[in-house]
Amino acid sequence: QLVLTQSPSASASLGASVKLTCTLSSGHSSYAIAWHQQQPEKGPRYLMKLNSDGSHSKGDGIPDRFSGSSSGAERYLTISSLQSEDEADYYCQTWGTGIQGVFGGGTKLTVL
Amino acid sequence: EVQLVESGGGLVQPGGSLRLSCAASGFTVSSNYMSWVRQAPGKGLEWVSVIYSGGSTYYADSVKGRFTISRDNSKNTLYLQMNSLRAEDTAVYYCARARLLDYWGQGTLVTVSS
Repeated sequence: QLVLTQSPSASASLGASVKLTCTLSSGHSSYAIAWHQQQPEKGPRYLMKLNSDGSHSKGDGIPDRFSGSSSGAERYLTISSLQSEDEADYYCQTWGTGIQGVFGGGTKLTVL
Repeated sequence: EVQLVESGGGLVQPGGSLRLSCAASGFTVSSNYMSWVRQAPGKGLEWVSVIYSGGSTYYADSVKGRFTISRDNSKNTLYLQMNSLRAEDTAVYYCARARLLDYWGQGTLVTVSS
């Protein structure tokens, strides 16, 4: 069974960088994922698709401050030059043959 | 510009039914995979259902047999028919494009309560 694991919370200072992690369960390290951002009281927004080789394609209007990378079963979202509006919940999500939709539990990012 | 606009949410009693709509613009629904995702109050995102461009449909175990996803190509609109609703179906329901959910609607709230 494919499971995505995320830390429940993270924090970083205004102007700093933060790296969020999404871990694919054993046997699924080749899967691509998508990262989504959900600001308080808003609907989710697609950030990027992240492949196992670290290549990624971002959604419309997503700033260069957002980038993705991969290592084995780990998928990362790095946000640099943190701004107050980056305070949000971040979800990873995947799909595949026989797997229609799976979300991680989400990481709540606090900008200090 | 791609837009998705959900409607049809509201208050319904347990055991009741509701049909959600998702009107799309800027792309063709029938040429894409289309998904429904929900979020219970204070909880994370939960995938609900997907319809493939070829018409195949899939459901989360929690809604299988009760929910039906469909589309109207002439209206470029996605639907979610929800029957035998339970309190645990209370959530904001979002439609989204494709399996990687690259565009989302604003959501519609469904409250199941007596």
